[in-house]
Amino acid sequence: EDQVTQSPEALRLQEGESSSLNCSYTVSGLRGLFWYRQDPGKGPEFLFTLYSAGEEKEKERLKATLTKKESFLHITAPKPEDSATYLCAVQEGPGANSKLTFGKGITLSVRP
Amino acid sequence: EAGVVQSPRYKIIEKKQPVAFWCNPISGHNTLYWYRQNLGQGPELLIRYENEEAVDDSQLPKDRFSAERLKGVDSTLKIQPAELGDSAVYLCASSLDRGDRMNTGELFFGEGSRLTVL
Repeated sequence: EDQVTQSPEALRLQEGESSSLNCSYTVSGLRGLFWYRQDPGKGPEFLFTLYSAGEEKEKERLKATLTKKESFLHITAPKPEDSATYLCAVQEGPGANSKLTFGKGITLSVRP
Repeated sequence: EAGVVQSPRYKIIEKKQPVAFWCNPISGHNTLYWYRQNLGQGPELLIRYENEEAVDDSQLPKDRFSAERLKGVDSTLKIQPAELGDSAVYLCASSLDRGDRMNTGELFFGEGSRLTVL
């Protein structure tokens, strides 16, 4: 059973059309949940870390939220430059640098 | 500040040939990771180093894969012999362990080395 499941696999939006990306997880003892952005031919780029249910973080048009079973990445009024693959990852304890388990990612396309 | 540097960016080899990838992490980062990313999948951890010590290599196929991190800085990942299923992007990442409460979990990834095995 996958520990991290992201949905939908792909999402096409019109510029300005807000939406949410979902990441559900089944790990026990969650140490942290991470969102990364990956552009084609590049390595993932860190966006957010969430540590506990109810926590929210924002960066420009992106807002990440966390519950006990899932996380959402909300994209408000997206622009074409937001097109990328968004990866969710979970970290189980112990150890500050214990491994991250990534989901398969959600490919977002924003049309002008 | 220079990011994580990987080479080569692309490599095409015949099966059963050896191949090596090199990674130079961000200066001062004590933790280094090698991930493998198959097409349409998320990265999967192969090995994690804290300074010179490999602290998690449970996912590294040790019959054909090897890695080293000399002097706790640069790292090399080797595959010998390569198989068709090894075709993937090999990502190196680094992070700074500031202590438990200070870590953001932010990994800095290189652009990856894309391997094609024919």
